[in-house]
Amino acid sequence: QLVLTQSPSASASLGASVKLTCTLSSGHSNYAIAWHQQQPEKGPRYLMKLNSDGSHSKGDGIPDRFSGSSSGAERYLTISSLQSEDEADYYCQTWGTGIWVFGGGTKLTVL
Amino acid sequence: QVQVVESGGGVVQPGRSLRLSCAASGFTFSSYGMHWVRQAPGKGLEWVAVIWYDGSNKYYADSVKGRFTISRDNSKNTLYLQMNSLRAEDTAVYYCARVRCSGGTCYSPLDYWGQGTLVTVSS
Repeated sequence: QLVLTQSPSASASLGASVKLTCTLSSGHSNYAIAWHQQQPEKGPRYLMKLNSDGSHSKGDGIPDRFSGSSSGAERYLTISSLQSEDEADYYCQTWGTGIWVFGGGTKLTVL
Repeated sequence: QVQVVESGGGVVQPGRSLRLSCAASGFTFSSYGMHWVRQAPGKGLEWVAVIWYDGSNKYYADSVKGRFTISRDNSKNTLYLQMNSLRAEDTAVYYCARVRCSGGTCYSPLDYWGQGTLVTVSS
């Protein structure tokens, strides 16, 4: 079964960096994922597609502060030089034949 | 610029029906697949349904299969979600989102989202 697992919460200080993790279920470690950001009271925003080899392609207008990497079944989103507007929920998402799946989301607090 | 705008939400009684619409602009609608994704109050995102760029394929989450129908009118640049036999657990903000298609399939990330429309199922 295709499942994505995310930690419910994370926090980091203004100006610092943070690395969020999304873990693919067993047998799906070669899947690509996407990262999405949802600021409070807004619709989600596509950040990037992240492949199993760590290569990634970002959405329109996404700053260089956002980057992705991969290791085995883990997919990471790193946000550097944290700004107050980065405080948001972050969701990973993947797809298989006839199915699309979201992780439970990570709520990022910028201290 | 790319824009998708949902409409049609509201308050509806359990067991009744509702149809959502999503108006697309700023891109060639007939070349892209489209998704519906929902978010219950205070909860995470849940995928609902997808339709291929030409309507040839449609897939649904188990939670809505047999009750919801996704469709599109490429001449009107509009996506629809017909929701029947609504339940309290269908209460959510419903988003439409675009997906790129290539080689006849649409297995790609959702790359543009709308702002959503709220559906409340309550007596």
